[in-house]
Amino acid sequence: GQNIDQPTEMTATEGAIVQINCTYQTSGFNGLFWYQQHAGEAPTFLSYNVLDGLEEKGRFSSFLSRSKGYSYLLLKELQMKDSASYLCAVNGAGSYQLTFGKGTKLSVIP
Amino acid sequence: ETGVTQTPRHLVMGMTNKKSLKCEQHLGHNAMYWYKQSAKKPLELMFVYNFKEQTENNSVPSRFSPECPNSSHLFLHLHTLQPEDSALYLCASSPLGGGDQETQYFGPGTRLLVL
Repeated sequence: GQNIDQPTEMTATEGAIVQINCTYQTSGFNGLFWYQQHAGEAPTFLSYNVLDGLEEKGRFSSFLSRSKGYSYLLLKELQMKDSASYLCAVNGAGSYQLTFGKGTKLSVIP
Repeated sequence: ETGVTQTPRHLVMGMTNKKSLKCEQHLGHNAMYWYKQSAKKPLELMFVYNFKEQTENNSVPSRFSPECPNSSHLFLHLHTLQPEDSALYLCASSPLGGGDQETQYFGPGTRLLVL
């Protein structure tokens, strides 16, 4: 079966750093995605990890540990516009389909 | 971003109505997907089409009927829906290029309310 777990909600201050964790148990693994979804809008692609380690892309970084079934999304220098839901999704082995977590709603406060 | 478009953006329908949701992608992709997003639940994959052929139906009730006339267009035909079907319906597409990273690109969704 597939199980993806991430916190439901988080709050952080503008200018700060926040880490959103995701743990997964899936039958096979072929990569992990992070998406950002603002309220009422489409999810947009943020990052993809298939090998262990950190992928950095501007203010956003994503980390993966395959042995631990664990990933995190790190957001630096938080801005008010970063208030959104962040979705963790896993691509199972032998499949291009994604299994999504419930998403973490991040609120950035002044 | 207008790579994947969906119409209508909002839809209210009665349980006896028949309506259709439309999705169009302008990215040259070969795979298209329908997802359902309900409050406090993960995105649920409903249907997958590869090169216009349906390859996945995740135990979706028959009151939802997909149609994929070509690689750029995807429809979801709705009939005799239930109030619990009220949700955001998202369309997505991906290249189906065979590589490791098969990123999906989402449309803005149709917010459906069934009365």
